[in-house]
Amino acid sequence: EAGVAQSPRYKIIEKRQSVAFWCNPISGHATLYWYQQILGQGPKLLIQFQNNGVVDDSQLPKDRFSAERLKGVDSTLKIQPAKLEDSAVYLCASSLEPGGEQYFGPGTRLTVT
Amino acid sequence: AQSVTQPDIHITVSEGASLELRCNYSYGATPYLFWYVQSPGQGLQLLLKYFSGDTLVQGIKGFEAEFKRSQSSFNLRKPSVHWSDAAEYFCAVGAPGGGGFKTIFGAGTRLFVKA
Repeated sequence: EAGVAQSPRYKIIEKRQSVAFWCNPISGHATLYWYQQILGQGPKLLIQFQNNGVVDDSQLPKDRFSAERLKGVDSTLKIQPAKLEDSAVYLCASSLEPGGEQYFGPGTRLTVT
Repeated sequence: AQSVTQPDIHITVSEGASLELRCNYSYGATPYLFWYVQSPGQGLQLLLKYFSGDTLVQGIKGFEAEFKRSQSSFNLRKPSVHWSDAAEYFCAVGAPGGGGFKTIFGAGTRLFVKA
């Protein structure tokens, strides 16, 4: 079974630029999560989708971050405009259902200069 | 509010020695508890989880963890460490709510294995 795919793996941008990350979850997984992992910290949940609906975006900085999962499969996470403190690894995970085992992708390492 | 504390930022053990990684949580009810491992360049992988029942949980790669409600702890153990176990380990607490499931991770413990 193919795992969670993410692209790009690495991205370097200047502050105030925009960036987008893509995630393809495991086929059939209804729940999709985006996490932010800052160096030296554990992952922090940004947003959770159930199919194509948002069930939790309480920790998403909505003034600059947005995410969508239009057809209930792939998802994109966008940052516009980026700040220096957004430098982190952005992890996507999926599970069959909320509370089920989460399978993580390899992450996208973002550096904002 | 839920929280997870991993008191040790890093631990060094000799290959073949036993290992215990500490995890303390704060949550009002019995939480869902998890241990994940993150190897360099790899995604997070679930080692084991506790939802209910037997408080001693067996996981993959020879790991086990014990839920102790009185101590609010969920420590990870392995009787004999292999060099390939060198990685970052994350304890996490989760709970359902609002139609979803929120997972909070600790800051992680980095394990170094010496020959």
